[in-house]
Amino acid sequence: DQQVKQNSPSLSVQEGRISILNCDYTNSMFDYFLWYKKYPAEGPTFLISISSIKDKNEDGRFTVFLNKSAKHLSLHIVPSQPGDSAVYFCAASEGYGGSQGNLIFGKGTKLSVKP
Amino acid sequence: DTGVSQDPRHKITKRGQNVTFRCDPISEHNRLYWYRQTLGQGPEFLTYFQNEAQLEKSRLLSDRFSAERPKGSFSTLEIQRTEQGDSAMYLCASSTVYGYTFGSGTRLTVV
Repeated sequence: DQQVKQNSPSLSVQEGRISILNCDYTNSMFDYFLWYKKYPAEGPTFLISISSIKDKNEDGRFTVFLNKSAKHLSLHIVPSQPGDSAVYFCAASEGYGGSQGNLIFGKGTKLSVKP
Repeated sequence: DTGVSQDPRHKITKRGQNVTFRCDPISEHNRLYWYRQTLGQGPEFLTYFQNEAQLEKSRLLSDRFSAERPKGSFSTLEIQRTEQGDSAMYLCASSTVYGYTFGSGTRLTVV
């Protein structure tokens, strides 16, 4: 049973527009959520995170929104750039603030940003 | 660059052979993790170490898998009697309270 779900395997967006990547989770004990970006032949790279005590966190072009009642989070990228093309993984952890302990990952969404 | 280093980057082996992967974490990170990623899936937790102590193992880690972290520095992951289902990317990560850093992974192909 998948505890973290990314239901869109792929997303295609025009350069300069907004990319919205979605993630749902089932475990109400998750209290920290992270987004990772992965290029082929490389390991995942940390992008942005959010604690369950917040509903929004921003870092430059990247914003993560958390809706705890719906057990849903989303990553917004504005404006999207061709270099953002990669696979994006949503991950969650129980305790430790996401910096330690096991991360539970979704299956990923492949984002393609077209010039 | 003092990131997480994994060796080898690629390994092709025949079914039934043993393989060993190495991970060198960031030196000040006391926690080290192994994950496995198969095609179309996200990384799945295998095991982790706090210094030299192996504190948790996933049920994905069958008896054919063994991991060590002698002296709390580098770690090795050994797979004995490899099977085709072991073909995957094996990712190592290390962390402090400030977050996780992943290595580039070892891609294993069992033929």
